[in-house]
Amino acid sequence: GAVVSQHPSWVICKSGTSVKIECRSLDFQATTMFWYRQFPKQSLMLMATSNEGSKATYEQGVEKDKFLINHASLTLSTLTVTSAHPEDSSFYICSARGRDRDLNYGYTFGSGTRLTVV
Amino acid sequence: AQKITQTQPGMFVQEKEAVTLDCTYDTSDQSYGLFWYKQPSSGEMIFLIYQGSYDEQNATEGRYSLNFQKARKSANLVISASQLGDSAMYFCAMTVYGSSNTGKLIFGQGTTLQVKP
Repeated sequence: GAVVSQHPSWVICKSGTSVKIECRSLDFQATTMFWYRQFPKQSLMLMATSNEGSKATYEQGVEKDKFLINHASLTLSTLTVTSAHPEDSSFYICSARGRDRDLNYGYTFGSGTRLTVV
Repeated sequence: AQKITQTQPGMFVQEKEAVTLDCTYDTSDQSYGLFWYKQPSSGEMIFLIYQGSYDEQNATEGRYSLNFQKARKSANLVISASQLGDSAMYFCAMTVYGSSNTGKLIFGQGTTLQVKP
């Protein structure tokens, strides 16, 4: 089946530093990648949508200069949290969509990254 | 715009009993898909079941079934014979396939299910 590998699974960083999160589709080509943010006991909030080779589309209220998304290839998308602050501490998870919509009905999730900014 | 609503923040169920988790949705698109996911404390999203808007039969996957009532715009998840391992957070989600298709998967607020032994 389709697998999306997300790394790191958890990270602790100092305030003011940047953190990069990677999502790789291992056995399919991810034409679209969705990035979500989730606070404890809350829903998954869509941050942005990226299509391979083009700029990401950000949801309203999400700072594109703070959350940099790159989707340079069909198997790799990255989310960089720049100048991280404690309020950016959250669970970040990606979801990949490939050409074959029969795979998980079109959506394969990474395992998530728990970011803690101290 | 599409919207998903889950009104039960938390639910308890006795082991081996059935439980229904509520989900209502709103969209002006005629073609859409409804999903249920399970999220244990580890955070991974586990796909449970899918219902397409044009599917005439309610979806079933093992102990999971989806009670799809299109006119009421509801897509409740029924878990039969609950097990202790079913304790987790459950999310209802939707995507639209029509003219406003962006591929986005939008989630409800989630319901935390606890199974009692």
